[in-house]
Amino acid sequence: EAGVVQSPRYKIIEKKQPVAFWCNPISGHNTLYWYRQNLGQGPELLIRYENEEAVDDSQLPKDRFSAERLKGVDSTLKIQPAELGDSAVYLCASTSDLAGVGELFFGEGSRLTVL
Amino acid sequence: AQSVSQHNHHVILSEAASLELGCNYSYGGTVNLFWYVQYPGQHLQLLLKYFSGDPLVKGIKGFEAEFIKSKFSFNLRKPSVQWSDTAEYFCAVCEPDSNYQLIWGAGTKLIIKP
Repeated sequence: EAGVVQSPRYKIIEKKQPVAFWCNPISGHNTLYWYRQNLGQGPELLIRYENEEAVDDSQLPKDRFSAERLKGVDSTLKIQPAELGDSAVYLCASTSDLAGVGELFFGEGSRLTVL
Repeated sequence: AQSVSQHNHHVILSEAASLELGCNYSYGGTVNLFWYVQYPGQHLQLLLKYFSGDPLVKGIKGFEAEFIKSKFSFNLRKPSVQWSDTAEYFCAVCEPDSNYQLIWGAGTKLIIKP
């Protein structure tokens, strides 16, 4: 079974530039999460999707961050414009109703460096 | 706000040493508890979980964790570590009041010296 696929793995940009991250969840997983992980910290939820609906985006900085999950499968997270403080690893995770509560399947992450 | 505290940010042990990583949480009600592990260059993956029942839970690769409700703790243990246990370990808590959103600790980086 293929795992959660994220791209790019690494991205270096200058501040004020836009950046986008892509996630392909495990087939059949209806729930998709985007997390941000700063150095030395645990993951922090940015947004959670149930199918194509964003059911929890309370922690997404909406002035510069946006996300979409068209057709309830792949998802894209965008930052425009990026700031120095956005440097972090962006993690995508998915799960299904068959998995237990809190059992998430993660991708390898996209490491963003903003110069 | 609920929080999860992991006492040690870095732990260095020799092979065959015993391991205990601390995890405390702040929520006083019913919780689900997790340990996730991230091996170097790999993705986060579930190591073990506690939902209810026996407070001593066993996970993969010989790891176990004990839920002590009175201490709000869920410490991770392994009697004898191996070099391949070098990884970062995250404790996480999930409780109904937050719509089952996972609250994560800051992680503990474990280095096993061969």
